[in-house]
Amino acid sequence: NAGVMQNPRHLVRRRGQEARLRCSPMKGHSHVYWYRQLPEEGLKFMVYLQKENIIDESGMPKERFSAEFPKEGPSILRIQQVVRGDSAAYFCASSPLGTQKYGETQYFGPGTRLLVL
Amino acid sequence: AQSVTQLDSQVPVFEEAPVELRCNYSSSVSVYLFWYVQYPNQGLQLLLKYLSGSTLVKGINGFEAEFNKSQTSFHLRKPSVHISDTAEYFCAVSDRKDSSYKLIFGSGTRLLVRP
Repeated sequence: NAGVMQNPRHLVRRRGQEARLRCSPMKGHSHVYWYRQLPEEGLKFMVYLQKENIIDESGMPKERFSAEFPKEGPSILRIQQVVRGDSAAYFCASSPLGTQKYGETQYFGPGTRLLVL
Repeated sequence: AQSVTQLDSQVPVFEEAPVELRCNYSSSVSVYLFWYVQYPNQGLQLLLKYLSGSTLVKGINGFEAEFNKSQTSFHLRKPSVHISDTAEYFCAVSDRKDSSYKLIFGSGTRLLVRP
């Protein structure tokens, strides 16, 4: 049973370019969460999506960042016009039911490490 | 707003020695508590979690943690560490009642096990 998959694992962009990060949840999981880890810091929640719906995007920067989870295909985190401060590790997690009311475990992918030059 | 404090950024320890990684959270509401481990260039793996019931929680790889409500702590322990336990350890909390999917992480503790 494959785990959460993220690609690319490493991504280098120049300032002003766009970055697209992909996340395929575990089989049978329809709830996806994105977190960002800045250097020497813990992970910070960005957004929670279900298929075709954004449930909570309270952790997303107001500009340049967007996320989607289409009916078919992986979840995408898109960063437009990247700046150096966007350099970080971006982790995707998934869960089967979204029943966080019961402390459901989130399963994390290996992350995408974005470097903005 | 909730926050999680991991007081030690790095903990060096010799192989086969015991270790405790400290975690404190600041919240007056009921929480779920988690410990995750991150090996170099990998994602986070759940070690254990506290939902309810017994305050002593046993996890994988011989780790355990104790929930102390009065001290708002959830320290992680292992009686005898191995070289392979060298990794980054993250404590996390989520609110039981509101947006409990939103994990709030501490800044991590790097466990360095020496031979």
